[in-house]
Amino acid sequence: DSGVTQTPKHLITATGQRVTLRCSPRSGDLSVYWYQQSLDQGLQFLIQYYNGEERAKGNILERFSAQQFPDLHSELNLSSLELGDSALYFCASSGRQGVTYEQYFGPGTRLTVT
Amino acid sequence: GENVEQHPSTLSVQEGDSAVIKCTYSDSASNYFPWYKQELGKRPQLIIDIRSNVGEKKDQRIAVTLNKTAKHFSLHITETQPEDSAVYFCAALTGTASKLTFGTGTRLQVTL
Repeated sequence: DSGVTQTPKHLITATGQRVTLRCSPRSGDLSVYWYQQSLDQGLQFLIQYYNGEERAKGNILERFSAQQFPDLHSELNLSSLELGDSALYFCASSGRQGVTYEQYFGPGTRLTVT
Repeated sequence: GENVEQHPSTLSVQEGDSAVIKCTYSDSASNYFPWYKQELGKRPQLIIDIRSNVGEKKDQRIAVTLNKTAKHFSLHITETQPEDSAVYFCAALTGTASKLTFGTGTRLQVTL
């Protein structure tokens, strides 16, 4: 167990809908990262938040947005969903005690768009 | 931006043999190189990492080597066991944002 939690584990929704994925980082970690992993694909970096502020953006679609709250949990919002958005979405956290490199992943949310 | 290439995409070894996975990166500013193991349907798990000021690091049966000049790094697993079967991802970290760029993964199968 990495200490990073994600909810829900599974999500099935229809095209055009909007969903919210939630992530709680390890205790003490200030950074949260979101990644997308499509079937048989690698891990694609989406976005990073550090202590409530956006720090870096990767290949995140305009239909997707994220935020990090004062208690450091983060939410990834996916809207106008398309079939191609079906994937595993992972969050990771880092930053405990000044160590900023190691990233620990949560169990992921499997999103299925039908 | 950073680009990480990983080879091979699949690797089959017999139990007890060694396995080597290689990665190259493009950004000379990259300074941290982790390796993750991912079992089917589970989270990527950090198994070993190396920083740019170190050439080699070992942890029991796994080791990572880094050649900064050639911009490549490798994962070595000795005395492989069936539980080593998984997909392994290399990654490189660049920039102050701690953005990780991942390789495309290597599916390792350890046969009896």
